[in-house]
Amino acid sequence: QQQVKQSPQSLIVQKGGIPIINCAYENTAFDYFPWYQQFPGKGPALLIAIRPDVSEKKEGRFTISFNKSAKQFSLHIMDSQPGDSATYFCATETSGSRLTFGEGTQLTVNP
Amino acid sequence: DGGITQSPKYLFRKEGQNVTLSCEQNLNHDAMYWYRQDPGQGLRLIYYSQIVNDFQKGDIAEGYSVSREKKESFPLTVTSAQKNPTAFYLCASSYNRGGRSEAFFGQGTRLTVV
Repeated sequence: QQQVKQSPQSLIVQKGGIPIINCAYENTAFDYFPWYQQFPGKGPALLIAIRPDVSEKKEGRFTISFNKSAKQFSLHIMDSQPGDSATYFCATETSGSRLTFGEGTQLTVNP
Repeated sequence: DGGITQSPKYLFRKEGQNVTLSCEQNLNHDAMYWYRQDPGQGLRLIYYSQIVNDFQKGDIAEGYSVSREKKESFPLTVTSAQKNPTAFYLCASSYNRGGRSEAFFGQGTRLTVV
């Protein structure tokens, strides 16, 4: 079963643009919402994560926005660079349980 | 140099053969996972283990088997019962820190049936 839905499947932006990737979840027991970044031929790596007690978290050029009532969270990449081109996965988890990943978004940032 | 090591990086299997993918971690993590990655389908959980000598089926366990005899090792066997085994396989481990688990992934094994 798909517990987290991610969109869009692919995204192309110009350098300096602000790509936005969205995820929606169903289980209100989820209490941890990470984003992972994966480069071709590599394993994913944690990029940024948020807990549901805050509505926004920033780390460098990456921002998570969290809307608890809508059960949605999104990743924004400010001033995107060609080096940000990768596949991004959102994920959800309840305390002590397994991570469930979205389908992934392939981001391309053109120079 | 801590991390997760998967081997081999590339693996070729003939139809009808079983193959075993290796996953070793020296991060002292309790939990370990196996995911399968296909284009456009994200990461699908095959098996996971929260402690030694215990493991649970994920969403797509049919045709796969695992063991967890040591904390640092979680090998995955792709059996001949798996009808479409060609994929990129990722192993991960995690710890719980204040209720959240950061997963650390290996570099993956690309399995091809020939």
